[in-house]
Amino acid sequence: GQNIDQPTEMTATEGAIVQINCTYQTSGFNGLFWYQQHAGEAPTFLSYNVLDGLEEKGRFSSFLSRSKGYSYLLLKELQMKDSASYLCAVGSNYQLIWGAGTKLIIKP
Amino acid sequence: DGGITQSPKYLFRKEGQNVTLSCEQNLNHDAMYWYRQDPGQGLRLIYYSQIVNDFQKGDIAEGYSVSREKKESFPLTVTSAQKNPTAFYLCASSSRTGTAYGYTFGSGTRLTVV
Repeated sequence: GQNIDQPTEMTATEGAIVQINCTYQTSGFNGLFWYQQHAGEAPTFLSYNVLDGLEEKGRFSSFLSRSKGYSYLLLKELQMKDSASYLCAVGSNYQLIWGAGTKLIIKP
Repeated sequence: DGGITQSPKYLFRKEGQNVTLSCEQNLNHDAMYWYRQDPGQGLRLIYYSQIVNDFQKGDIAEGYSVSREKKESFPLTVTSAQKNPTAFYLCASSSRTGTAYGYTFGSGTRLTVV
């Protein structure tokens, strides 16, 4: 079967760094996506990895290891507005397979 | 600006009633998708369409129907056969049927059974 696992909830402090992990087992692989979703809103695109390694984009970075079926999203200099759910998704054949999302709570 | 428009934002359905959720995109995207999201759960695929006049069932198609008569439009009907329709519904599109291009999402419709 196809499976994507990520922690249900994480808590971090404003100004700190947090790493959200994602492991996957899928029948195909066309890349791994991270999306941010604020409560009651649509997901918005954060990052895309198709090759192994680290992709950096401002305060956000995403890492991929295809051999390990593993990715992480790294958020630096956390701000209160980063409180949201972070969804990991894998491109497999004709669609994206989604994880359940990690709810990130930022405390002052 | 290009984007996806979902309407209405909130929808209330009576027991035994069919309702239709609208999804329109002006991105010239070929593929369109409907997802359902329940609290604390990931996105579950209801239906998807890769070209006009063609669509495929996703993982939870029972109790739902769609049409794709125009490239821009992909409406979803929640029928009375769907026993637990209260959820957040998201429409998405992508420029290719392959998944290397990511999805653009509409703002969602929150459906509640009253």
